[in-house]
Amino acid sequence: DVKVTQSSRYLVKRTGEKVFLECVQDMDHENMFWYRQDPGLGLRLIYFSYDVKMKEKGDIPEGYSVSREKKERFSLILESASTNQTSMYLCASSEGTKNTEAFFGQGTRLTVV
Amino acid sequence: KQEVTQIPAALSVPEGENLVLNCSFTDSAIYNLQWFRQDPGKGLTSLLLIQSSQREQTSGRLNASLDKSSGRSTLYIAASQPGDSATYLCAVAPRGNTGKLIFGQGTTLQVKP
Repeated sequence: DVKVTQSSRYLVKRTGEKVFLECVQDMDHENMFWYRQDPGLGLRLIYFSYDVKMKEKGDIPEGYSVSREKKERFSLILESASTNQTSMYLCASSEGTKNTEAFFGQGTRLTVV
Repeated sequence: KQEVTQIPAALSVPEGENLVLNCSFTDSAIYNLQWFRQDPGKGLTSLLLIQSSQREQTSGRLNASLDKSSGRSTLYIAASQPGDSATYLCAVAPRGNTGKLIFGQGTTLQVKP
């Protein structure tokens, strides 16, 4: 069974903290993605990676960075957390070819106080 | 710019009813369309993937259709059950983008016993 695992279900962090959200997939997928989901705004792409050490900005990259040192792991970094980054964060992965199914993790609910 | 719309935003039906959820998209240049289910506070579960060359896909009581030329997809749920209560999201993979998905806002379904 395919699996995308996010390191935390719930996180509470203080404004200004550096925050790491971790995502691991066990399907040997080339593509990995970070989305955030907010009421009324839906899911929006933050960053994605199509290979190890490769990354591209999505629609809302400001305030975020990513790291992909190994194929199975994609980390989202909030350099200096702010209250407007309170959100549900979702990680996904898919194969490198374009017609393949995307699989999502269970989500991380981040609250910045 | 690709936009995805889901109507209605919310739907409440009695148990046993057959129902249809709608998804429309503005640009027919897509690799595929995917339907997801999301339970409250959880991640996304993939239900069905329809390639751009296909017309429909079936899984159990679910049937998804795709009319690329008109920019529409429907998710048909037969004999609905209270356990089907969730938010259903559709997403398209635009051509030219490696695996990125554009999501609709979702339809929240409540099936009453």
